[in-house]
Amino acid sequence: QKEVEQDPGPLSVPEGAIVSLNCTYSNSAFQYFMWYRQYSRKGPELLMYTYSSGNKEDGRFTAQVDKSSKYISLFIRDSQPSDSATYLCAMTSGTYKYIFGTGTRLKVLA
Amino acid sequence: DAGITQSPRHKVTETGTPVTLRCHQTENHRYMYWYRQDPGHGLRLIHYSYGVKDTDKGEVSDGYSVSRSKTEDFLLTLESATSSQTSVYFCAIRGDGEQYFGPGTRLTVT
Repeated sequence: QKEVEQDPGPLSVPEGAIVSLNCTYSNSAFQYFMWYRQYSRKGPELLMYTYSSGNKEDGRFTAQVDKSSKYISLFIRDSQPSDSATYLCAMTSGTYKYIFGTGTRLKVLA
Repeated sequence: DAGITQSPRHKVTETGTPVTLRCHQTENHRYMYWYRQDPGHGLRLIHYSYGVKDTDKGEVSDGYSVSRSKTEDFLLTLESATSSQTSVYFCAIRGDGEQYFGPGTRLTVT
């Protein structure tokens, strides 16, 4: 079993839809949780960073962490074609080591 | 912008030649990382550094070496490039708990 599971997609949604992206994990020691957006042939760009449980909102993006269920989510409101990218989740217990999901490809259709 | 640059951005080299990739950061972060990203494998850690002259191996370190003589620079060397090392290489730094990535180096070994 992988430490982090992420549906690879592709996930196709119409413009303006609410998008929900998710990761599950198995290691209860994870404390720091991140979401990255990666456009084709570009580096991963940090979108959201959360420590421990709870919600964090930044513009159209909301990150949720449910440590009891070992489940994290990224919501994108009013999705735009420019949101079309691969979204990676990542997490760490605070040591040097980061565990990444394999990424979900998102397509927002105009 | 985490102030990370990578050079070169693209390189084509022949099997058996040595190759050095450079990562430069402007924000004095202690931890620096080298990853490779390949389809079907996601991001895999090659080596990381936790200070000047302090480095350690990641999960795919065979055939790679690193050096860090200054806080701002982390070099990745392929001692004798092989076709299996054709990949996109990303440098990253660690902030408080989150990671920031550089723009990547696309390496082709022919």
